[in-house]
Amino acid sequence: GQQLNQSPQSMFIQEGEDVSMNCTSSSIFNTWLWYKQEPGEGPVLLIALYKAGELTSNGRLTAQFGITRKDSFLNISASIPSDVGIYFCAGLPSGTYKYIFGTGTRLKVLA
Amino acid sequence: DAGVTQSPTHLIKTRGQQVTLRCSPKSGHDTVSWYQQALGQGPQFIFQYYEEEERQRGNFPDRFSGHQFPNYSSELNVNALLLGDSALYLCASSLGRLKTAFFGQGTRLTVV
Repeated sequence: GQQLNQSPQSMFIQEGEDVSMNCTSSSIFNTWLWYKQEPGEGPVLLIALYKAGELTSNGRLTAQFGITRKDSFLNISASIPSDVGIYFCAGLPSGTYKYIFGTGTRLKVLA
Repeated sequence: DAGVTQSPTHLIKTRGQQVTLRCSPKSGHDTVSWYQQALGQGPQFIFQYYEEEERQRGNFPDRFSGHQFPNYSSELNVNALLLGDSALYLCASSLGRLKTAFFGQGTRLTVV
């Protein structure tokens, strides 16, 4: 099935470091959502973005809707061990109700 | 405020059997979408229900069907199960045009 390009695929970081990940698409999206998923659980919504250029924060998390509407970025500042998990982006193309998900970024935090 | 709830949490079925998964949306939400997530991949859209009708469908065969009830809850039915149908099935609910989707914990289906 169709998936968005998400990078990096995985990363090991030290506790306290900042993390950046991004999603890119060849299509234009109207909405970007960022989720975190832990093993055996459903995705948990972190941040929702609705307009090109929008920058939104949720605690230590900040996400941006790219101005081209074809990409989005998620930053995590001062990472902690509980940030471990898989982060997914999801984009909603214009005129549809079908979210397309990224391939996921697996984050591991070393204490 | 109850979130999205799915049942059962785990299920084991035999090839060729049929299965029904259930979803109750977040309080106040009227739209339910179903996704299939294979191991190590992102969720794939199966279909969305709104006002008791299928509003959009992804690239899944007709063996996958659904229903939405007047109270907005939904069922996903899969007939003639294949080994490849083994996955985490996720339900997401949203409210009308707002489109922000909240997921349940999923149902882990294993086909043997």
